[in-house]
Amino acid sequence: AQSVTQLGSHVSVSEGALVLLRCNYSSSVPPYLFWYVQYPNQGLQLLLKYTTGATLVKGINGFEAEFKKSETSFHLTKPSAHMSDAAEYFCAVSHTGANSKLTFGKGITLSVRP
Amino acid sequence: EAGVTQFPSHSVIEKGQTVTLRCDPISGHDNLYWYRRVMGKEIKFLLHFVKESKQDESGMPNNRFLAERTGGTYSTLKVQPAELEDSGVYFCASSQMDTYGYTFGSGTRLTVV
Repeated sequence: AQSVTQLGSHVSVSEGALVLLRCNYSSSVPPYLFWYVQYPNQGLQLLLKYTTGATLVKGINGFEAEFKKSETSFHLTKPSAHMSDAAEYFCAVSHTGANSKLTFGKGITLSVRP
Repeated sequence: EAGVTQFPSHSVIEKGQTVTLRCDPISGHDNLYWYRRVMGKEIKFLLHFVKESKQDESGMPNNRFLAERTGGTYSTLKVQPAELEDSGVYFCASSQMDTYGYTFGSGTRLTVV
């Protein structure tokens, strides 16, 4: 069975500081990995995804994530936090690729201090 | 293009009543998914339609839940009778065939009292 671990429920950073949100997965097959963001009163929005190829993936709003097979990780980073980045972030793994269901982590709330 | 639309955005019902949630996917998206997030827990898969057919309904919790997608367009998720543990946010998502990642709706927050 596949699973996703996002440690902690809340991260707080200062505006301009590095954002690092951790995600570890377990999968019996090569994973397809995703980060989604949910802003208040909105649906989940796809930030970025890893399917195949380059392990460093760039997404929207300056976010990027690196797939590290040896560490079973897919951590999300952004060099400089902005107030508008405050939201809940979800890491997810796909069971078999395109069209298949996702297994989500518990999500982590990012707060950005002025 | 219009996004994935869900109705209603909020619903409060009493235990034992029936509630029907609706999802309008993005036009042309054959894949339609339902997910649920119970307070404090992970977002969990419920089921997956390809056009009007149920491709995977392994996440449906019990037979009080009935999902339909007539004509392969919009979908409904009916809960009958509702129980307290059904409270949560129900998300719908859609995608084109053979793409990675979906477009989610804003969700329906269901509260059973």
